[in-house]
Amino acid sequence: GAVVSQHPSRVICKSGTSVKIECRSLDFQATTMFWYRQFPKQSLMLMATSNEGSKATYEQGVEKDKFLINHASLTLSTLTVTSAHPEDSSFYICSVTLGTAEQYFGPGTRLTVT
Amino acid sequence: GNSVTQMEGPVTLSEEAFLTINCTYTATGYPSLFWYVQYPGEGLQLLLKATKADDKGSNKGFEATYRKETTSFHLEKGSVQVSDSAVYFCALRAASNTGKLIFGQGTTLQVKP
Repeated sequence: GAVVSQHPSRVICKSGTSVKIECRSLDFQATTMFWYRQFPKQSLMLMATSNEGSKATYEQGVEKDKFLINHASLTLSTLTVTSAHPEDSSFYICSVTLGTAEQYFGPGTRLTVT
Repeated sequence: GNSVTQMEGPVTLSEEAFLTINCTYTATGYPSLFWYVQYPGEGLQLLLKATKADDKGSNKGFEATYRKETTSFHLEKGSVQVSDSAVYFCALRAASNTGKLIFGQGTTLQVKP
């Protein structure tokens, strides 16, 4: 069965609004969660690393004020895209890991900003 | 810095054909290497991995050997099926073991009956 869930699977929002994406670890308490962004027909780009109870570490070039990450518990992390614009339209994927073991990926969330 | 380069796709094969998807990497030390598969509309799934030089990862008929001398981790399968149609990603995790994965650009495989 699924190890990681994401909600919603698809979302369409208007430009200027904010959207929250949830990532849940179903099988274990994840020490670390990662957020990726995938453009059409391109690879995954790591956006940030999220550890429970501490601030997320953002990759170079990723705006932390635009992409707010809250790692509320060992099983839940949220990514909020604030003041979304059409260029934020993308496929957002989270992954979870326990320590430095294998990463388990969520099914992804398709965001479309109109 | 660390990076992964995959052969460009799409790769189109007939059922039962032999598959090779090339992957080379640049990294310091001894990274761990992975192949992930993404079926249409789904998230990534780990296909196989190798954590040290000369290790061979295998799963579902797919194989890849960690070649330190050529910095490669090519994916192979002797006889592909239509159900293997997907996007395949090569990835590395640095020897520093921060947990971060660095992905190649992905290779789309289409298998025709």
